[in-house]
Amino acid sequence: DGGITQSPKYLFRKEGQNVTLSCEQNLNHDAMYWYRQDPGQGLRLIYYSQIVNDFQKGDIAEGYSVSREKKESFPLTVTSAQKNPTAFYLCASSITGGLRDTQYFGPGTRLTVL
Amino acid sequence: QKEVEQDPGPLSVPEGAIVSLNCTYSNSAFQYFMWYRQYSRKGPELLMYTYSSGNKEDGRFTAQVDKSSKYISLFIRDSQPSDSATYLCAMNAGGYQKVTFGTGTKLQVIP
Repeated sequence: DGGITQSPKYLFRKEGQNVTLSCEQNLNHDAMYWYRQDPGQGLRLIYYSQIVNDFQKGDIAEGYSVSREKKESFPLTVTSAQKNPTAFYLCASSITGGLRDTQYFGPGTRLTVL
Repeated sequence: QKEVEQDPGPLSVPEGAIVSLNCTYSNSAFQYFMWYRQYSRKGPELLMYTYSSGNKEDGRFTAQVDKSSKYISLFIRDSQPSDSATYLCAMNAGGYQKVTFGTGTKLQVIP
C-alpha cells in the first residue's frame, strides 16, 4: 500500500529537550511538507521541500529544523528554542509541489511537552 | 483579517439532512480550491478538488466555487453518522504557492 507514515503517534518531551518526528512516504512524491495544527488556528506550514537536499521555511519555522537526505524521508526536529511545541504535527506530500498539485497527509504525531 | 475564514461550528444535523459547509476568502489570486475531511486524531484526507468557479459533484458531495463573491461551499446530501468529522477548506493560487487552510468546521450527524 502506498502512503505516508508518521511516527511516533504520541510523543512526550520534557522542556529543554530536542525531539525528532519521523515522516516517510512511498508515493514517489517529490514534495514534502510539515504542518502544525492547533485548535482554532488551522494548519500552519513549518517547512517544505520540493526536492532532495533542498527545503524552505514556511510561516512558522522558528524553533524547528528539517533535513531531506532521501526522497522518501523528511524528519522534523522540534528544538528547545520552540516556545510552545505542544501541538498536532502533520506531514504531507505531493507529486511536485507545483501547479494543481494536491497534498496527501499522514496520520499525524501528537507532541506534548511536560 | 485571515485570508480564509471558516465557521468552526460545531454543526449538528440529523441523519439524512443536507449539510452546507462554507468558507470565505480575501485573496483574489486563489484559483484552486480543496475540501479535506479530518476525523478526530487523524490526518486530513482529500475529498474534493476544484479549479476556478463552478460546481463539482462526487457521489453525495458537491463542491461549489463562486469567485465573484470569494465564497466556496461543500454540500453533503443524505448525511450519515460516518460523515461526522471536521471539514477543512483549502486553497492556493497555483504554481509553487503554499496552500492556505481554513480552521475547519466540526460536523456531527446525529443518528
